[in-house]
Amino acid sequence: DQQVKQNSPSLSVQEGRISILNCDYTNSMFDYFLWYKKYPAEGPTFLISISSIKDKNEDGRFTVFLNKSAKHLSLHIVPSQPGDSAVYFCAASVGEGNTPLVFGKGTRLSVIA
Amino acid sequence: NAGVMQNPRHLVRRRGQEARLRCSPMKGHSHVYWYRQLPEEGLKFMVYLQKENIIDESGMPKERFSAEFPKEGPSILRIQQVVRGDSAAYFCASSPSGTPGGFFGPGTRLTVL
Repeated sequence: DQQVKQNSPSLSVQEGRISILNCDYTNSMFDYFLWYKKYPAEGPTFLISISSIKDKNEDGRFTVFLNKSAKHLSLHIVPSQPGDSAVYFCAASVGEGNTPLVFGKGTRLSVIA
Repeated sequence: NAGVMQNPRHLVRRRGQEARLRCSPMKGHSHVYWYRQLPEEGLKFMVYLQKENIIDESGMPKERFSAEFPKEGPSILRIQQVVRGDSAAYFCASSPSGTPGGFFGPGTRLTVL
């Protein structure tokens, strides 16, 4: 029973173009969403988050969009850079306090120079 | 300004042995989460602890696994009588009060022979 789904295991994008990573969730109680980036042999690093009261949050090259009615969120990276090549995890929680995260399986992004 | 520390980074055990994984949270953080990542999977929540208290252990197997976060010293995840299925990367995350997500350590990769 996967509550957070990342249906694309991998994505290849050319340097300079936009990368769009998608995430779907099934639990309507989720109201806080995060994206993490992970390099091999390292822990996940927080990228950006969004609360369910918003539909967009932007931080530099990274923008997260939330569509509550579709239970869908996406991470846009523009322009994509070779250093962005990593595994990206979508995560969700109930509430913005200290609650455990539910992670998707990740999408491996390769940015080709 | 050290981040979350985990040791050992790699641990090899034979079936039936015990594994002890340590997590030192960031300075000032009193909340610790343990997650497990099986190969080709996302991170799965195991246990959430505050100093001297287990807050939520709903993700931890009922047998062979235990966790503690003493008043002094690191948080410990203990796996008794390890089996091959315990082979995974174990990550801890720490956060100050009221912050979701947290900061992840580099993980401990457990291999059970």
